[in-house]
Amino acid sequence: AQSVTQLDSQVPVFEEAPVELRCNYSSSVSVYLFWYVQYPNQGLQLLLKYLSGSTLVKGINGFEAEFNKSQTSFHLRKPSVHISDTAEYFCAVSKGQGAQKLVFGQGTRLTINP
Amino acid sequence: GAVVSQHPSRVICKSGTSVKIECRSLDFQATTMFWYRQFPKQSLMLMATSNEGSKATYEQGVEKDKFLINHASLTLSTLTVTSAHPEDSSFYICSATPGTVNTEAFFGQGTRLTVV
Repeated sequence: AQSVTQLDSQVPVFEEAPVELRCNYSSSVSVYLFWYVQYPNQGLQLLLKYLSGSTLVKGINGFEAEFNKSQTSFHLRKPSVHISDTAEYFCAVSKGQGAQKLVFGQGTRLTINP
Repeated sequence: GAVVSQHPSRVICKSGTSVKIECRSLDFQATTMFWYRQFPKQSLMLMATSNEGSKATYEQGVEKDKFLINHASLTLSTLTVTSAHPEDSSFYICSATPGTVNTEAFFGQGTRLTVV
């Protein structure tokens, strides 16, 4: 069975500083990996996804993530954050075929301080 | 991208009553939709898979008689929380994947249910 662990429940960062949100997964089969962002009382918006191919994936809003199979990690990074990046971030792995059933990590609350 | 709409966004109901939440795919057909539940400050947990024209598939530990799912058309799935109790208060989110694009799930805006 698949599982996802987000190592940090909260990450405070100053504006314009770089940030990394950590995600580790476990699965006995090949998976698809995703990062979603959730703003207060809203649904989820896809930031980026890894399906196959290049291990460095670029997403929206300047985010990128690197798939590391040997370390079973899929960490999310941004070189310079903005106040508007304050949100909850979820790492997810597909549970079934494609992107339909998802298993989510616990979430990381990213807080950007001025 | 594809759009999934959920209604209502917020609902408050009295304990013992039933509440229906709708999930619609606005610009694509979805033979399968998914319902998730999110407790405060926690992650999303898959509750069930809604299948158009057939019975829903529930995850382990989810009461199918309490959370009734109906997927009557290719663009609409409904989740009915029956005989709601305060412990059912949560954020419910649906998702759907266009049939031809199976590599991204699109989520609704979510429904905040408060049972008083």
